[in-house]
Amino acid sequence: NAGVMQNPRHLVRRRGQEARLRCSPMKGHSHVYWYRQLPEEGLKFMVYLQKENIIDESGMPKERFSAEFPKEGPSILRIQQVVRGDSAAYFCASSSAQGDGYTFGSGTRLTVV
Amino acid sequence: EDQVTQSPEALRLQEGESSSLNCSYTVSGLRGLFWYRQDPGKGPEFLFTLYSAGEEKEKERLKATLTKKESFLHITAPKPEDSATYLCAVQTNSGYALNFGKGTSLLVTP
Repeated sequence: NAGVMQNPRHLVRRRGQEARLRCSPMKGHSHVYWYRQLPEEGLKFMVYLQKENIIDESGMPKERFSAEFPKEGPSILRIQQVVRGDSAAYFCASSSAQGDGYTFGSGTRLTVV
Repeated sequence: EDQVTQSPEALRLQEGESSSLNCSYTVSGLRGLFWYRQDPGKGPEFLFTLYSAGEEKEKERLKATLTKKESFLHITAPKPEDSATYLCAVQTNSGYALNFGKGTSLLVTP
């Protein structure tokens, strides 16, 4: 009974490259959430998705960031033209219904050099 | 604006020394208050959800309580393996996001 699976665990990108972060929710979960944790700051909500739908993207930066959760396959958080300020831990969480206790993955630690 | 403030920022306890962590919140319409535990290099691990003032939940050495303004996480007779960062988060009726505090870093020494 695998939990929320995120990959890669660590990702290094040069400034200007693209970063793709993947998240497979727990079996039976159809709600996916992405959060970002910057050094010395708390977890910040980015986006909430259900299969093929973005429900709430109020926490997503307006430019360079996008997310999807296709009918088949994992949820993808995509960051284009990365900058040093994008360096952070990105966590994905899933739930079986909106408002349930979320289950978090172990995160992807993005380093932009 | 919704706010979640956790105190203290850091807490050091001797094994067996009970204490409490505080989470104060200001939100417009609380849907639920969540407690998580986070170990270094890992994702948050769900502990409790509280929905209404007066509610209490327990799990092993941990007990969470909720009032209209704050929540407490009581740790009874802690052990070194309880060392972690404890996160509090609120969810409001107007959205789906969890609004997290910055956490309390707990160190329990033998």
